[in-house]
Amino acid sequence: GAGVSQSPRYKVTKRGQDVALRCDPISGHVSLYWYRQALGQGPEFLTYFNYEAQQDKSGLPNDRFSAERPEGSISTLTIQRTEQRDSAMYRCASSLARSQTGELFFGEGSRLTVL
Amino acid sequence: AQSVTQLDSQVPVFEEAPVELRCNYSSSVSVYLFWYVQYPNQGLQLLLKYLSGSTLVKGINGFEAEFNKSQTSFHLRKPSVHISDTAEYFCAVSTVTSGTYKYIFGTGTRLKVLA
Repeated sequence: GAGVSQSPRYKVTKRGQDVALRCDPISGHVSLYWYRQALGQGPEFLTYFNYEAQQDKSGLPNDRFSAERPEGSISTLTIQRTEQRDSAMYRCASSLARSQTGELFFGEGSRLTVL
Repeated sequence: AQSVTQLDSQVPVFEEAPVELRCNYSSSVSVYLFWYVQYPNQGLQLLLKYLSGSTLVKGINGFEAEFNKSQTSFHLRKPSVHISDTAEYFCAVSTVTSGTYKYIFGTGTRLKVLA
């Protein structure tokens, strides 16, 4: 696609429910990143992939959070048994090359609200 | 561990005045430095980046930044701001450690341009 696409844009759920957030990166982009951004804060690293391989998941807060990118393109971030503290904007970004010098292209984010 | 510090959470400035947004980083390895801008309800987009070479980097919309290795700083400047520059600005560093890439963002500086 033309840009990074995230869905849903807005998700309201009740505490204890599972949610899945989807990211469709720019076609051909090798690297895909997930960040969480609380109001008034910078993006906080969660995890990233090169192709289908999860390279680093050190930023995932706990084992309720998981991510996958099975075919090296679309990625899903899953939060199980959601809690109110999980409420935030979840941002996905992709990068053309597997490199630390590349620009990250961000989607518009998925805003999660846990009631 | 790498970190990014943006000392000013908010910077108000009058239109056509100059502005500097400060960014300091810490890292035990080589870094690459970036500034991103986030307009309301949009994703982050790249303003400029420093990879190597000249320490003065020019970006889009008339912004520039200077890399100062001795002071571990990468401050963003614009000689004359416009109302349309009102946005949140994020400094970021990327590093590689043991083959793992890290792309870390600061907490952001909200620039408010006043008429």
